[in-house]
Amino acid sequence: QQQVKQSPQSLIVQKGGISIINCAYENTAFDYFPWYQQFPGKGPALLIAIRPDVSEKKEGRFTISFNKSAKQFSLHIMDSQPGDSATYFCAASMETSYDKVIFGPGTSLSVIP
Amino acid sequence: KAGVTQTPRYLIKTRGQQVTLSCSPISGHRSVSWYQQTPGQGLQFLFEYFSETQRNKGNFPGRFSGRQFSNSRSEMNVSTLELGDSALYLCASSLPWSIGNEQFFGPGTRLTVL
Repeated sequence: QQQVKQSPQSLIVQKGGISIINCAYENTAFDYFPWYQQFPGKGPALLIAIRPDVSEKKEGRFTISFNKSAKQFSLHIMDSQPGDSATYFCAASMETSYDKVIFGPGTSLSVIP
Repeated sequence: KAGVTQTPRYLIKTRGQQVTLSCSPISGHRSVSWYQQTPGQGLQFLFEYFSETQRNKGNFPGRFSGRQFSNSRSEMNVSTLELGDSALYLCASSLPWSIGNEQFFGPGTRLTVL
C-alpha cells in the first residue's frame, strides 16, 4: 500500500513535443505528491508538487494533473527540450511523516533534436 | 547558500567491512533523511532524523543505522557489508514543520562493495 507505480520506464520524445509520465498510488493517506528530476551524477531536485485538493498545477512548461478518485497523477512537459533529458521520479508522502517520501521507480526521458 | 554536502563521494569496500557516510545539511535545516538508490529498486527511504532523534524508518535490516548530531549533521553506518549494499546513498535535508516540505538532496555517496 506504500507503493507508487510509474510508467513508462523510458520515454523518447522529439524536441518541441509533449512528454507525459503517469503515476498511481494506493494509499489514500498520501496527501502530497512531488515530482523530482535527476541528472546523471546529481541528486534528485524538486520540480513541482501538488496536493490532492487541486486537480492541476502548472509551473512554466511543467504541469501536474491529479485525479483523486482514480488515485492517479501525471506530469506533462510541454515543448520538451534536450535539456529536459533526465530521470523523473513521482513521489508521495503523508502529513504524519512528510520526510518519509515514497518514490516511484523513475522514468528516463530522452528528448532528441 | 551552500547545498547539502556528502562525503566521501566514492567508496570501495569489501564484504564484511563496515562503512560510515557523512551528510551536512543546508544551514538552518534540521531534518535529514537518507535514501538508497539502485537500478533495480530505485530510491528507497532508509531513515529520517530530526533534532538528533530518528522520526521515521524504512524497511532495511538493522545493519543500517544512523545518527544526527546537535549541529544537524548526520552519519549513516552500514555494518557487515554485503554485495547488495552497492548503491548510491543520498542524503536530503529539509526545514521542519512545513506541510509537504521540500527535500534538498546532496550528490550522494557511491558505495561499491567487492
